[in-house]
Amino acid sequence: DGGITQSPKYLFRKEGQNVTLSCEQNLNHDAMYWYRQDPGQGLRLIYYSQIVNDFQKGDIAEGYSVSREKKESFPLTVTSAQKNPTAFYLCASSILGWYEQFFGPGTRLTVL
Amino acid sequence: EDKVVQSPLSLVVHEGDTVTLNCSYEVTNFRSLLWYKQEKKAPTFLFMLTSSGIEKKSGRLSSILDKKELFSILNITATQTGDSAIYLCAVDNAGGTSYGKLTFGQGTILTVHP
Repeated sequence: DGGITQSPKYLFRKEGQNVTLSCEQNLNHDAMYWYRQDPGQGLRLIYYSQIVNDFQKGDIAEGYSVSREKKESFPLTVTSAQKNPTAFYLCASSILGWYEQFFGPGTRLTVL
Repeated sequence: EDKVVQSPLSLVVHEGDTVTLNCSYEVTNFRSLLWYKQEKKAPTFLFMLTSSGIEKKSGRLSSILDKKELFSILNITATQTGDSAIYLCAVDNAGGTSYGKLTFGQGTILTVHP
């Protein structure tokens, strides 16, 4: 089955620790995206990538980093510089130049 | 700053009611407006609208775009409990070749009671 997988579903970390969220897709999509969702705020774009080894900052990139070494994978690192990292994180992918994005099931990160 | 605003933020109805969800936008480089439904985790695509006045329809759901007044509505007729979800509106506002850079509204939480 084609789709997007995110792992883990739930993640708990202590304040000050970096944490990496996984996102993998087997849809052969060129473009991949990371969003953050907080209650009552919809989705906000963190980073996106249209091609391997290239990515752009979204609206709220501070405190986050990404890499795109393979077409299928777009991991997100939440660094200790992110002031309020507790949130629901969604990864998405799309065909380059096409509007519809396909979403993974999300990772809920809680920083204690 | 690009902005997408949805209203109402939450709505509670009974089965069989008709609902209208609103989405207004202010973006610099409009390409399209998309509606998504988020039931538990992953949002799923409903509609994409690019032209004014052309209604998109799928079963009991329909949507229309007004590019002059910068808004869209999503209608759901004869609501069912399975329609309970967060409905997200997003605008593709990328310039140049950066397709797919979406700005989302806050979402409307719809609850349908039996």
